[in-house]
Amino acid sequence: AQSVTQLGSHVSVSEGALVLLRCNYSSSVPPYLFWYVQYPNQGLQLLLKYTSAATLVKGINGFEAEFKKSETSFHLTKPSAHMRDAAEYFCAVILSGSARQLTFGSGTQLTVLP
Amino acid sequence: NAGVMQNPRHLVRRRGQEARLRCSPMKGHSHVYWYRQLPEEGLKFMVYLQKENIIDESGMPKERFSAEFPKEGPSILRIQQVVRGDSAAYFCASSPPSSNYGYTFGSGTRLTVV
Repeated sequence: AQSVTQLGSHVSVSEGALVLLRCNYSSSVPPYLFWYVQYPNQGLQLLLKYTSAATLVKGINGFEAEFKKSETSFHLTKPSAHMRDAAEYFCAVILSGSARQLTFGSGTQLTVLP
Repeated sequence: NAGVMQNPRHLVRRRGQEARLRCSPMKGHSHVYWYRQLPEEGLKFMVYLQKENIIDESGMPKERFSAEFPKEGPSILRIQQVVRGDSAAYFCASSPPSSNYGYTFGSGTRLTVV
């Protein structure tokens, strides 16, 4: 069963426009949720994480995400895109009882147009 | 404070050879995780280790793959008799003993089997 789904494998926005990357999870128990960014030929960098504290989580580089239990979503947003935001973004979850195992979505490639 | 160090960054092996991938966790981190990223896919969990113990190997292929994290030295992911399907990026992450899920990823080893 798919635990985390990222809608849209490719998203393009203009520089200065709103960035919205979608992530939905499937779990009856709210999991721990993460967003990571991967630049070409590099490892993953943590943008932000939700661990059952505040539902609106602020991360690095101006990104934030809101945990919505009713919608089982954890969408990533940034008010104004920069060229340097072009990268691949992964949503990930740690499910209850999974012993710290991260389950990743398939990723969304963000392109920022000048 | 160096991050998670993986070496080599790139590894080319002929079919049937062995591949050894190394991961040195961040200082103070005693938990190591290995993930595999196939082309155009997200990361898939392979194994979770603590010093001298395998905690969760549910993502490891049943044959040819093994992992260790000895008392001294780096964690090693070993792939015997490699096949073309093993070509992928292999990422290591580490975390401290506390349960704040502060994973740090390395830059990965890109294995190419020819």
